[in-house]
Amino acid sequence: NAGVTQTPKFRVLKTGQSMTLLCAQDMNHEYMYWYRQDPGMGLRLIHYSVGEGTTAKGEVPDGYNVSRLKKQNFLLGLESAAPSQTSVYFCASTQRRLKQETQYFGPGTRLLVL
Amino acid sequence: TQLLEQSPQFLSIQEGENLTVYCNSSSVFSSLQWYRQEPGEGPVLLVTVVTGGEVKKLKRLTFQFGDARKDSSLHITAAQTGDTGLYLCAGAGTPLVFGKGTRLSVIA
Repeated sequence: NAGVTQTPKFRVLKTGQSMTLLCAQDMNHEYMYWYRQDPGMGLRLIHYSVGEGTTAKGEVPDGYNVSRLKKQNFLLGLESAAPSQTSVYFCASTQRRLKQETQYFGPGTRLLVL
Repeated sequence: TQLLEQSPQFLSIQEGENLTVYCNSSSVFSSLQWYRQEPGEGPVLLVTVVTGGEVKKLKRLTFQFGDARKDSSLHITAAQTGDTGLYLCAGAGTPLVFGKGTRLSVIA
């Protein structure tokens, strides 16, 4: 049981390049989330999904796209990377139970856009 | 829009000292969680509080949910260097509402 895994762990991009970040979970969770965390800051929600085939915008969705074709995977795409997208990206998943929703986070992907 | 304000934003203390950090909102939450994020890792859940006035203890950490379920506090007794990290509170919702966190540094 690996929990939540993220690929890649680290990436350097040039401005204008594109890339896809992969998040995978093996806990059969319904909900998945993508956050970004800038130095010294908290988490900001980019996009999330409440089930296979569904996606919704979070607090900072501009410049990102997502897809949830399979329940276990949640992809985050950057079509044309900008230096402002330099950040650490965290994926999380959860299985809602009553009032309590424990989010399980991946180890993060560190992205540097030059 | 539900917001969670955490204070202080930064805290640097000596090993062995006690500390309290706060999480406040003008909104009522059905439950509130505390996560700890160590440097270079993702956040990990510490505790969930559900009932107004509830107090939960996790070794040297004491969590309290306000009677009105709008605020919470985290008290650490005799802090250790291993307590260093970012402490995030999160209110129930889809998606969860996260505060910006308190960054704690415990110095030996």
